[in-house]
Amino acid sequence: SAVISQKPSRDICQRGTSLTIQCQVDSQVTMMFWYRQQPGQSLTLIATANQGSEATYESGFVIDKFPISRPNLTFSTLTVSNMSPEDSSIYLCSAQGTGPTGELFFGEGSRLTVL
Amino acid sequence: SQQGEEDPQALSIQEGENATMNCSYKTSINNLQWYRQNSGRGLVHLILIRSNEREKHSGRLRVTLDTSKKSSSLLITASRAADTASYFCATDLSGGFKTIFGAGTRLFVKA
Repeated sequence: SAVISQKPSRDICQRGTSLTIQCQVDSQVTMMFWYRQQPGQSLTLIATANQGSEATYESGFVIDKFPISRPNLTFSTLTVSNMSPEDSSIYLCSAQGTGPTGELFFGEGSRLTVL
Repeated sequence: SQQGEEDPQALSIQEGENATMNCSYKTSINNLQWYRQNSGRGLVHLILIRSNEREKHSGRLRVTLDTSKKSSSLLITASRAADTASYFCATDLSGGFKTIFGAGTRLFVKA
């Protein structure tokens, strides 16, 4: 199993600013992902964080808006740039376990409110 | 984009009753997983069923998979108030590494 720590857990931000969310895993993992979840809704995959190379973004998400770093096998950051109220959401970091099940482990999420 | 559609969207039952949630998906998969999310928390993995499996059990959970119908069901037997949560199916697409989540079912178990 893997324990994932995310911070901040919540923040209130002003329109036009940027915020970086940090994700730390307690063990080395191959795959890390960032999801967005609107309150009461399902999860939407933003991107796959690739170690040592550019992240792989899903349709509708671009690097300029959501730059992602992954400097090593245990850490990743997601930045939400030039925020607008539409970016208010819960952002979840996840990592894929190395065991045979392929299950995902999740952080507790970062709840962002943009005013 | 979402791969799975789940029904019902919401389910309210009495403690002790069984809860059944269904999930349908659109494309070929390697496996299908179910996750639980308590309010305000991250997701917790419940069970995984591979594309060549038809049924799997884990404690009070029973999952079935019908690849011909592209559907799965999650049965929680003898439900408890602590089972109150949102439940999501998630699929790992064939040939890919990413996991796509369904819309989710909100389960409320009344004590």
